[in-house]
Amino acid sequence: DAGVIQSPRHEVTEMGQEVTLRCKPISGHNSLFWYRQTMMRGLELLIYFNNNVPIDDSGMPEDRFSAKMPNASFSTLKIQPSEPRDSAVYFCASSTSTDTQYFGPGTRLTVL
Amino acid sequence: AQSVTQLDSQVPVFEEAPVELRCNYSSSVSVYLFWYVQYPNQGLQLLLKYLSGSTLVKGINGFEAEFNKSQTSFHLRKPSVHISDTAEYFCAVSESGTYKYIFGTGTRLKVLA
Repeated sequence: DAGVIQSPRHEVTEMGQEVTLRCKPISGHNSLFWYRQTMMRGLELLIYFNNNVPIDDSGMPEDRFSAKMPNASFSTLKIQPSEPRDSAVYFCASSTSTDTQYFGPGTRLTVL
Repeated sequence: AQSVTQLDSQVPVFEEAPVELRCNYSSSVSVYLFWYVQYPNQGLQLLLKYLSGSTLVKGINGFEAEFNKSQTSFHLRKPSVHISDTAEYFCAVSESGTYKYIFGTGTRLKVLA
């Protein structure tokens, strides 16, 4: 079975540029999560979707960040404009229930 | 509000020795507890979870953890570690039946030959 798929795995961009991270959840999973991992703040939940609807976006740092889930098999996290402090590893996770989340391999974002 | 504390940021241990990684949590409600492992440049993989029932939980790769409600702890143990266990380990807590996981800051386990 394919796990959670994220692309790209690595992204290097310059400050001010738009960045789009992509996620394909495990088939049949109805919940999707975006997390950010940094040395300073650890692993933080950015946004949670259930049945393609954003339920909790309280972790989205600011208006430069936006996330969409147009269908059950695809989600994007966009940063526009990007800043150096956005450099982090961004994880997507999916689940069918509250008792296990399955994580993707992550996207390592570097903003110069 | 819930919180998770992993007191040890790094734990070095020799191969074939036992190891315990500590996790304490705070919550005023019933919780689910999790241990995830992250190998270098990879995502998080579930090692084991406590939802209810038996307080001793067995997971993959020979790991186990014990839920202690009175001490609000969920320590992870392995009786004999291998070099391949070198990774970062994260403890997480969620209010029972909810989606929001709170992760600890992680413990880096380094297994020495």
